Amino acid sequence: AQSVTQLGSHVSVSEGALVLLRCNYSSSVPPYLFWYVQYPNQGLQLLLKYTTGATLVKGINGFEAEFKKSETSFHLTKPSAHMSDAAEYFCAVGGATNKLIFGTGTLLAVQP
Amino acid sequence: NAGVTQTPKFQVLKTGQSMTLQCAQDMNHEYMSWYRQDPGMGLRLIHYSVGAGITDQGEVPNGYNVSRSTTEDFPLRLLSAAPSQTSVYFCASRETGSTDTQYFGPGTRLTVL
Repeated sequence: AQSVTQLGSHVSVSEGALVLLRCNYSSSVPPYLFWYVQYPNQGLQLLLKYTTGATLVKGINGFEAEFKKSETSFHLTKPSAHMSDAAEYFCAVGGATNKLIFGTGTLLAVQP
Repeated sequence: NAGVTQTPKFQVLKTGQSMTLQCAQDMNHEYMSWYRQDPGMGLRLIHYSVGAGITDQGEVPNGYNVSRSTTEDFPLRLLSAAPSQTSVYFCASRETGSTDTQYFGPGTRLTVL
């Protein structure tokens, strides 16, 4: 079975500060890992994904994530937060079956 | 391309009523799925389909039915609505592979009284 744990349901940062959203996964097979973003009253859109190859993955809007097998982690980072980054972020894992399993989400607030 | 479309956007039902949430995609994707989103619980998979005529259960299938008669459409039926089914429902589609990006519809907000 596969599962995802997102640490911190709410994260608040100041504009210009580092954004770090944590995701740990559990998988009995090599995982495929995704980060999705949801803006208020909208569906989800893909930020970035890791399938194979390079462990540092760059996504849209300046976000990146690093796959660390030894730590079973796939944390999302952005060097400098912008007000427009305020949204809910979901980590997801797939690969063992046709199912994509999501974490419970982290709501990011950006303070001026 | 319209992508993934869902209707209606909002719906209020009384307990025991039935209804169908519609989902369509114009990207010729084989894989389609339904999720429900509840506060603090993330997205949970209800049912999914890997192609026309093939459906399977996800994490929370009870109280919901699906069918897939065409590649484009994947309706979700609530047989007898219950207050516990109050949620936001998202439909998604992707090409067949597990590494492919999943595209989400805008969601249907359902309230069951």
